Amino acid sequence: EAQVTQNPRYLITVTGKKLTVTCSQNMNHEYMSWYRQDPGLGLRQIYYSMNVEVTDKGDVPEGYKVSRKEKRNFPLILESPSPNQTSLYFCASSSPGLNTEAFFGQGTRLTVV
Amino acid sequence: DAKTTQPPSMDCAEGRAANLPCNHSTISGNEYVYWYRQIHSQGPQYIIHGLKNNETNEMASLIITEDRKSSTLILPHATLRDTAVYYCIVRPNTGRRALTFGSGTRLQVQP
Repeated sequence: EAQVTQNPRYLITVTGKKLTVTCSQNMNHEYMSWYRQDPGLGLRQIYYSMNVEVTDKGDVPEGYKVSRKEKRNFPLILESPSPNQTSLYFCASSSPGLNTEAFFGQGTRLTVV
Repeated sequence: DAKTTQPPSMDCAEGRAANLPCNHSTISGNEYVYWYRQIHSQGPQYIIHGLKNNETNEMASLIITEDRKSSTLILPHATLRDTAVYYCIVRPNTGRRALTFGSGTRLQVQP
């Protein structure tokens, strides 16, 4: 079954404690991205990757890092989480081109206290 | 990026067709119209997309006006499980290919 898998689904952490949210896809997609969703602000793109070792900033990259060492994985790293990063996070993947659909993971609800 | 305008909410009776409108008057000639939906706080789910012609798949139909300035998503026989927020998105013609989710339309299917 084609899917994008995120882990963990829920996470409560403290300010400053580094964390990683993993994302894996089994569709051999080149393109992957991370979004965050906040009430009243919709989904906003954090980072994206066009292929292995190729990453770039989205609309709200501050406070986040990503890496793309393998095609299937695209982890999101918060080196020093802050309360304003409390949000619902989604990973997505798609194949190249304009005429393709994006597949989204189930979401990770992060709370930073 | 082309902006989209959707009504904030709509109701539909179960079993009836749900017609969700979207305005995208600044759409460029090679930009596609995509529809996604989000059920509660789950990951957005792709529904359908199109460029110029009307499209139909197992989930829905997409009607795009001839001038491409607006479109309508049609769920032919809405069920309670179709209750969700529906997003109309114009896909930018850039390498970043970010999906810009607006506020969407909250569709409530009534029993």
